[in-house]
Amino acid sequence: NAGVMQNPRHLVRRRGQEARLRCSPMKGHSHVYWYRQLPEEGLKFMVYLQKENIIDESGMPKERFSAEFPKEGPSILRIQQVVRGDSAAYFCASSPRVAGGQETQYFGPGTRLLVL
Amino acid sequence: GDSVTQMEGPVTLSEEAFLTINCTYTATGYPSLFWYVQYPGEGLQLLLKATKADDKGSNKGFEATYRKETTSFHLEKGSVQVSDSAVYFCALSGRSGGSNYKLTFGKGTLLTVNP
Repeated sequence: NAGVMQNPRHLVRRRGQEARLRCSPMKGHSHVYWYRQLPEEGLKFMVYLQKENIIDESGMPKERFSAEFPKEGPSILRIQQVVRGDSAAYFCASSPRVAGGQETQYFGPGTRLLVL
Repeated sequence: GDSVTQMEGPVTLSEEAFLTINCTYTATGYPSLFWYVQYPGEGLQLLLKATKADDKGSNKGFEATYRKETTSFHLEKGSVQVSDSAVYFCALSGRSGGSNYKLTFGKGTLLTVNP
């Protein structure tokens, strides 16, 4: 059973370009979570999605960031007009049901975004 | 809001040494507590967890006990191996407000074990 897949693993963008980060959850998982890790910081929650629904985007910046999890295909985290401060590691996690104390989130290897 | 404070790294030990990585938390209610490990180039893996006070989580020789009175969840291992070299993250999921899926992480502690 393949784990959570993320691609690309490394992404370099120039300021003003768009970044698209993809996450394929584990088989049978319908809940996806995105976290961001800034340099020297812990992971911070960004958004929680189920298929075709955004459940909680309270951790996502209000502008330039968007996320989706379509009925078919991977979840996408999209960053428009990237700035240097967006440079970070972006981690995706998935769970079969809503995760909480009893439900584990399984993490992908992350995408390292570097904005030049 | 919820927060997790863990021991600053890096930590460097010799093989078979005793390991402690301190973790304290601030949260409303009764959170669940986790330790995740990240090996080089890989994603975070759940190492162990505890869901209520006085629970002890254990896995692969690692242990941590949920101490409500000291709001702590320190990670310990009696004899580390070179293969334990990784970054360790303490985390919690709160129980209040219906958003218990949000994990709050510490900054991570890099452990290097030398032969």
